[in-house]
Amino acid sequence: GAVVSQHPSRVICKSGTSVKIECRSLDFQATTMFWYRQFPKQSLMLMATSNEGSKATYEQGVEKDKFLINHASLTLSTLTVTSAHPEDSSFYICSARDREQGKGTEAFFGQGTRLTVV
Amino acid sequence: QKEVEQNSGPLSVPEGAIASLNCTYSDRGSQSFFWYRQYSGKSPELIMSIYSNGDKEDGRFTAQLNKASQYVSLLIRDSQPSDSATYLCAVKTSYDKVIFGPGTSLSVIP
Repeated sequence: GAVVSQHPSRVICKSGTSVKIECRSLDFQATTMFWYRQFPKQSLMLMATSNEGSKATYEQGVEKDKFLINHASLTLSTLTVTSAHPEDSSFYICSARDREQGKGTEAFFGQGTRLTVV
Repeated sequence: QKEVEQNSGPLSVPEGAIASLNCTYSDRGSQSFFWYRQYSGKSPELIMSIYSNGDKEDGRFTAQLNKASQYVSLLIRDSQPSDSATYLCAVKTSYDKVIFGPGTSLSVIP
């Protein structure tokens, strides 16, 4: 399958600081990338959908000013958690859909980022 | 009603047995269905995708889809201890979002 690279895999930051997470599609162009959050023993919750060159679409209850998403190119999307607080500690996962394979195709996941805010 | 539902488990089966995982969804217009496996602390990995009614087999895995009943299942034959993980059902809805179920925890007992 296609490769999606996500960095960093683990980050610890102080409360009040911002953290940027990168998601790259390495061998395909991704028109759409998805950002998920997963709390322990819970399923993936979709946070937002980003399309290259346009603003992200956020799910209900997700603060767009806190979780800044940028999808400036067909191979890179970033999620910035601004003014992080301990309750933002979670596993953040990105996924990307291959433009060439059409809308019916499954999305491929990055390795995930474990964020801990202290 | 949640969009994608699964039995949370845990489901325990002996090694070599068939594990059966079930999933229902609410959006009747959904067209694409996926099963992912997730080990603790890791990102999900795709096992199967299915788009048409009926069965789809890939090695020890068989996905079954019944759109009329809004039901998807995954069968794992000859279960191995390495299959112990959480299995996530995902549905691409008619509004083009991939929604995940809560996952079913599977434990294969040697």
